[in-house]
Amino acid sequence: KNQVEQSPQSLIILEGKNCTLQCNYTVSPFSNLRWYKQDTGRGPVSLTIMTFSENTKSNGRYTATLDADTKQSSLHITASQLSDSASYICVVISSGGSYIPTFGRGTSLIVHP
Amino acid sequence: EAEVAQSPRYKITEKSQAVAFWCDPISGHATLYWYRQILGQGPELLVQFQDESVVDDSQLPKDRFSAERLKGVDSTLKIQPAELGDSAMYLCASSLGPRQNTEAFFGQGTRLTVV
Repeated sequence: KNQVEQSPQSLIILEGKNCTLQCNYTVSPFSNLRWYKQDTGRGPVSLTIMTFSENTKSNGRYTATLDADTKQSSLHITASQLSDSASYICVVISSGGSYIPTFGRGTSLIVHP
Repeated sequence: EAEVAQSPRYKITEKSQAVAFWCDPISGHATLYWYRQILGQGPELLVQFQDESVVDDSQLPKDRFSAERLKGVDSTLKIQPAELGDSAMYLCASSLGPRQNTEAFFGQGTRLTVV
């Protein structure tokens, strides 16, 4: 069964600090991996999309890495801001026919001033 | 800026009643998804459409849930009868197609509370 596991479940950091969120998956066959940011009560917004051949991709202060061999990804947030407080969801897309997405449960990040 | 429209934003209904949600995807997006998200968890795919055809509905509780996209544009998700456990955020998303690297855009969601 395709699964996406995220850690930690929740994280509290001080404004200005860096943090790294983890995503492990067992989805096969693999097509691509996505990180989304979801503010409370809103729909998710895409941060990055990574394919098998991409190891690193940045979007401003967000940098995602992918190790397709170990089936692991990370999302690094640099110089955190209060507005980074949100849930960060890892999604892995299977290439088996219809590109069905498998979602992780998300990591809840709280940035304190 | 184009966006996925969902209505209503909030819905309170009594258990055993029928409830319906509407989604209008971004113009030209052939793929449409309905998700259910329970508080504190990630979204769970309920149904995926490619144009007007259902691609995947393996997680849709078909005894009470139904979804349609008759003309391959907007879509309706219905629950009848609603149960207390259906309380959740219902998210709609759309993309140009199901292929890799095609970004999916989410609507703001409909927050359903069943009392």
